[in-house]
Amino acid sequence: QLQLQESGPGLVKPSETLSLTCTVSGGSISSSSYYWGWIRQPPGKGLEWIGSIYYSGSTYYNPSLKSRVTISVDTSKNQFSLKLSSVTAADTAVYYCARSDISHYGMDVWGQGTTVTVSS
Amino acid sequence: QSALTQPASVSGSPGQSITISCTGTSSDVGSYNLVSWYQQHPGKAPKLMIYEGSKRPSGVSNRFSGSKSGNTASLTISGLQAEDEADYYCCSYAGSSTLEVFGGGTKLTVL
Repeated sequence: QLQLQESGPGLVKPSETLSLTCTVSGGSISSSSYYWGWIRQPPGKGLEWIGSIYYSGSTYYNPSLKSRVTISVDTSKNQFSLKLSSVTAADTAVYYCARSDISHYGMDVWGQGTTVTVSS
Repeated sequence: QSALTQPASVSGSPGQSITISCTGTSSDVGSYNLVSWYQQHPGKAPKLMIYEGSKRPSGVSNRFSGSKSGNTASLTISGLQAEDEADYYCCSYAGSSTLEVFGGGTKLTVL
């Protein structure tokens, strides 16, 4: 059974870079059938798609975050990562990683989520 | 890329049916039959309930159904149960560069 697990610092200072990793277990990140994505949810608010990556390294970003986001993949470790630069309090959120089927883009497997707070 | 529009809240009594709408544009919902719906209980990760507009993943109750007309997708839950009380989000494919756009979410209350 495929599982995703987010990891990274829970507290980031304003203007610094948020870095998170999603570890995939029970399956291969190198499957040609899936995208691997990041989604966030600020406290009390809705879901926001941040971006996705294919195992080949092709990336897709939310236009509103594109200038600050980098998503990368490490197939040798079965992991993909998120970097969000120049963070502010508005980036405080629960960050989820998820798998999307490329045939229909539904996100069928999610990590449990990790809370990141931006504060000095 | 603007978020899809959902009602903030809907409610219904046990056994009744409710419908949640999700309005996009001709660039997302209207152009592709690739709308998915997610259920999220408090403190939990979202769960895929509908994909490709109307298909249910294995294990999802057939009380959940999806449809689309023009730029608006809909999720219908029949035979409401207390456990259906949750937040529901729609999401649409939005093209080869943007990929995904979510709705703002709808809180379902079972009275």
